[in-house]
Amino acid sequence: QQQVKQSPQSLIVQKGGISIINCAYENTAFDYFPWYQQFPGKGPALLIAIRPDVSEKKEGRFTISFNKSAKQFSLHIMDSQPGDSATYFCAASRGGSNYKLTFGKGTLLTVNP
Amino acid sequence: DAGITQSPRHKVTETGTPVTLRCHQTENHRYMYWYRQDPGHGLRLIHYSYGVKDTDKGEVSDGYSVSRSKTEDFLLTLESATSSQTSVYFCATSEGGFGYTFGSGTRLTVV
Repeated sequence: QQQVKQSPQSLIVQKGGISIINCAYENTAFDYFPWYQQFPGKGPALLIAIRPDVSEKKEGRFTISFNKSAKQFSLHIMDSQPGDSATYFCAASRGGSNYKLTFGKGTLLTVNP
Repeated sequence: DAGITQSPRHKVTETGTPVTLRCHQTENHRYMYWYRQDPGHGLRLIHYSYGVKDTDKGEVSDGYSVSRSKTEDFLLTLESATSSQTSVYFCATSEGGFGYTFGSGTRLTVV
């Protein structure tokens, strides 16, 4: 059972464009939704996170949009740069779970110069 | 990644042999996790620890065991390695919030 579904698997964007990655979850008990960024040969690193009491969170060029009723959340990367080329993972967790994260399968983003 | 060291970084082993991967942290984080990363599967939780000698299974724990005898070390053991356990293994730590710090990974190949 895949609790967090991520799409697309891969994405190619031109420099300066907007990258959008989507995730859907099934467990309504989830209450924390982070995004991780991973460069080749490295471990994932926390990028941005949101809780369901807000519909949007922005940090620089990165924005999470959250739709609780649809059980969906998405990552928007504005003014995408070649240095943003990486694999992005969405994840979800719920309180009382020893902070275990359930990850999506990942999206490989390529930003062409 | 600062504060988390995984060893070895690369290992090739034969089917049926036992293998132990080590995660060492200097962050004094209470929570530690082992994930495996495979193409098309993302990151899947193998085992985790919520304190010294306190561990529990994740979603893909079959064939793996863990031990944590002190805060800074979390060991993952493959009792009898199989080709299906060829993967990249990541250790992560958390101080109690949901922000994980990941190690750089161990690439394990079982031949």
